[in-house]
Amino acid sequence: EVHLVESGGGLVNPGGSLRLSCTASGFTFSFYSMHWVRQAPGKGLEWVASMSGHSYIYYVDSVKGRFTIYRDNDKNSLFLQMNSLRAEDTAVYYCARDMATTVTTFRSDYWGQGTMVTVSS
Amino acid sequence: DIQMTQSPSSLSTSVGDRVTITCRASQSISTDLNWFQQSPGKAPKLLIYAASTLQSGVPSRFSGSGSGTDFTLTISSLQPEDFATYYCQQSYTTPPTFGPGTKVEIK
Repeated sequence: EVHLVESGGGLVNPGGSLRLSCTASGFTFSFYSMHWVRQAPGKGLEWVASMSGHSYIYYVDSVKGRFTIYRDNDKNSLFLQMNSLRAEDTAVYYCARDMATTVTTFRSDYWGQGTMVTVSS
Repeated sequence: DIQMTQSPSSLSTSVGDRVTITCRASQSISTDLNWFQQSPGKAPKLLIYAASTLQSGVPSRFSGSGSGTDFTLTISSLQPEDFATYYCQQSYTTPPTFGPGTKVEIK
C-alpha cells in the first residue's frame, strides 16, 4: 500500500527557513515524479514544485529562488527546503505522487496527510 | 499561466440528487483535466483524470466529460460521504493550476 508521510512543518519567523520531508513507502520511489502542493488556510490548492525520478525540476514562479526541491531515492524521501519565508507561504504542504512512471504527468494519485507551515512573528 | 474557473462556487443539495459541476480553462487544454475531492481536514483525493477516466476505486456514480476549455463533473446520486469540496486541475502545461473549488453542502 502506498503511504506518504510529511514532516518538518512548524512556526517560523518571516525571513526564516524550514525543511519539509516526505517519506514514501509501498512503491518504487525512484520511478515516480513527486510533487509538493500547498493550501493556505481556508483557501484552494496551489502546486508548488515537482521533481522527476532523477533530474527534471519545476517550480511555481512565486517560490523560485527561495524553495529547493530534492530527493534521496535511496531513502525513499522527498524534501522541500524553504528559505526567505513570507507570510503568504503559510499553508498546509502536501507531498503527492505522480501517477505515471518515467514521465511527469502532473496528475497526483496519492497524497500525504500534509504538514502545516506558519510564517509569523 | 492557465486560469481555471469553476461554477458554482457552492451548492446545497440532498442525498440522492444529481450534481453537476463545471470547470473552464482560459485556453484549450485538450483533455488534460483532473478532478479531486477534498473533505474537511483531509488530503485531496483523485477522482477522475484525463477528463473522463475514473480513478481506480472511485465509485461509478462519479463521471467526467469535456475537452478543450469546458469540462463537467457529475455525481449521479449524491451519497452522504460526497459532501465535500471539489477541485478541477489542468495538467496540460506548467504550472499545473487548480480551480477555486466547489463546495457541496447538505441542504
